[in-house]
Amino acid sequence: GNSVTQMEGPVTLSEEAFLTINCTYTATGYPSLFWYVQYPGEGLQLLLKATKADDKGSNKGFEATYRKETTSFHLEKGSVQVSDSAVYFCALSYTGGFKTIFGAGTRLFVKA
Amino acid sequence: GAGVSQSPSNKVTEKGKDVELRCDPISGHTALYWYRQSLGQGLEFLIYFQGNSAPDKSGLPSDRFSAERTGGSVSTLTIQRTQQEDSAVYLCASSVGDRATDTQYFGPGTRLTVL
Repeated sequence: GNSVTQMEGPVTLSEEAFLTINCTYTATGYPSLFWYVQYPGEGLQLLLKATKADDKGSNKGFEATYRKETTSFHLEKGSVQVSDSAVYFCALSYTGGFKTIFGAGTRLFVKA
Repeated sequence: GAGVSQSPSNKVTEKGKDVELRCDPISGHTALYWYRQSLGQGLEFLIYFQGNSAPDKSGLPSDRFSAERTGGSVSTLTIQRTQQEDSAVYLCASSVGDRATDTQYFGPGTRLTVL
């Protein structure tokens, strides 16, 4: 069946460090891929998405590239800030409303 | 504009009681999802509504869980005879349609505690 696997957290980084959060997926066909973020005390919100192979989603300095050959959608940011501390969820979905599959989430702590 | 709203924000109940959780989606959104987020866990899909189609109930964990959506808008998730393992944050999301590219907008959630 379809699944999303994320690296386990928590991830602790110093400010301005490089961030990678790995995400791999198992799916048939051509799902769309998403990263959602949940800041402390707030609801989930979309961070970025990619809808086909080789697409790059980007937002707020974060990037992720849809790699079909490695079934991956790793999240990267060149220089993290304290305000990036949050839980990050990788997800996939298909047109037609099949249930969105979320990863378990990766908690990121950024120290000043 | 208004986002997805959920009520109550917190609910504490005793084991064996029934609870109802409400979700008001963004106006005009035809798709509505319920998820459950347990402590330290990811999001678990529960149920999906799209327009007037029959809902996808494949994620409901037991027959104690049910949901309805009236008039294609407000949705209510009902948990009967609550158990302690039902304690979690219940999230509702809506999207404009059911295309894979449609962004889901999440509500703030209802934190359910079953004593």
